Amino acid sequence: QFVLTQPPSVSAAPGQKVAISCSGSSSNIGRNYVSWYQQFPGTVPKLLIFDNNRRPSGIPDRFSGSKSGTSATLDITGLQTGDEADYYCGTWDSSLSAVLFGGGTKLTVL
Amino acid sequence: QVQLQQWGAGLLKPSETLSLTCVADGGSFSGYYWSWIRQPPGKGLEWIGEINHSGSTNYNASLKSRVIISVDTSKRQFSLKLTSVTAADTAVYYCARRDVLISHWGQGTLVTVSS
Repeated sequence: QFVLTQPPSVSAAPGQKVAISCSGSSSNIGRNYVSWYQQFPGTVPKLLIFDNNRRPSGIPDRFSGSKSGTSATLDITGLQTGDEADYYCGTWDSSLSAVLFGGGTKLTVL
Repeated sequence: QVQLQQWGAGLLKPSETLSLTCVADGGSFSGYYWSWIRQPPGKGLEWIGEINHSGSTNYNASLKSRVIISVDTSKRQFSLKLTSVTAADTAVYYCARRDVLISHWGQGTLVTVSS
């Protein structure tokens, strides 16, 4: 029952591209920046994308983000087995005055 | 570059109060909101709430009745108290800094609630 909706899982072959969607509403994604996080089992989430489409230093350009209206997308190109992880979107909700996360998407690289 | 270090009890009995503290080492303390986030085993991230240096807070509505977040600016510390815990509160708890949403995370503390 997360306010931000992500697909539970996505999969693709090595070298291919995958898109992970994040759907929200006018009070959250529609009005605020979106961030994306990568989390491997047993580790702390890592910031991948902030301000919709900006990458922190050290994040390869295979990872890119976009936003349109009340939805956001994380694209990963040139998939590697090392990209297998859980991915979370997040944003601020102006009506709730709260940080929101999506339910997370498990990426499998077949 | 800020580093967040957190500590607190890892094993609680039902009805007890969870208590965690986080210290922000480096960077500005007054320019940000400081958050608590949790992640139940095998599940997603849940934001608990946040506080700034002047004590202004925002809370997750679903937890607000049981949560107190406080700050000690002189020590660059902020704390979480969650009352009347149950097994459903078993999770890894993270402290974090909010700027580009969440940019820095503590190492996490596994809190287990069990009788």
